[in-house]
Amino acid sequence: GDSVTQMEGPVTLSEEAFLTINCTYTATGYPSLFWYVQYPGEGLQLLLKATKADDKGSNKGFEATYRKETTSFHLEKGSVQVSDSAVYFCAPYSNTGNQFYFGTGTSLTVIP
Amino acid sequence: EAQVTQNPRYLITVTGKKLTVTCSQNMNHEYMSWYRQDPGLGLRQIYYSMNVEVTDKGDVPEGYKVSRKEKRNFPLILESPSPNQTSLYFCASSFGTGGEQFFGPGTRLTVL
Repeated sequence: GDSVTQMEGPVTLSEEAFLTINCTYTATGYPSLFWYVQYPGEGLQLLLKATKADDKGSNKGFEATYRKETTSFHLEKGSVQVSDSAVYFCAPYSNTGNQFYFGTGTSLTVIP
Repeated sequence: EAQVTQNPRYLITVTGKKLTVTCSQNMNHEYMSWYRQDPGLGLRQIYYSMNVEVTDKGDVPEGYKVSRKEKRNFPLILESPSPNQTSLYFCASSFGTGGEQFFGPGTRLTVL
């Protein structure tokens, strides 16, 4: 069945460091790919998405490119801030199963 | 304000005492879903609904029931809660089956 593998955390970085959170998926068909972010004490909210191969999603300085050949959707940011501290979830959407598959989440802490 | 609301936000109950967690959205979304979030397991889908009177099982439906009598409401029912249902529960909604999901603030349930 469909699944997603996400880089385990927790990840701790200094402010202005480069961030990569790896995400790979297995899916039948051509899923849409999403990254969600969960700030402390809150529900998840959409960070960015890509709906077809080679699309790049971007928002708030974060980017991820839909790589069909490697079935990956890695999240990157060039310079993290303390306010980026949160849990990040990779979530492919399977249009054959009509459901999202969420990764286990990667906790990021950015220290000043 | 567009939002998904859940009630209650916190609940402590005992084994076997039926409970309902309500979920309501004011965005006229067709798709609604329930997830549970557990440490190390990420979010797992319990049930989802593609429209009124249309519901289907997600990955972990055992011990839960749902109903979708109105478009805006999607309550989660635990007929006989057990301690292994202690978790953080999120309701989410979206326009279509593959669209951005909007999440509620979460309900933290403890079953003693």
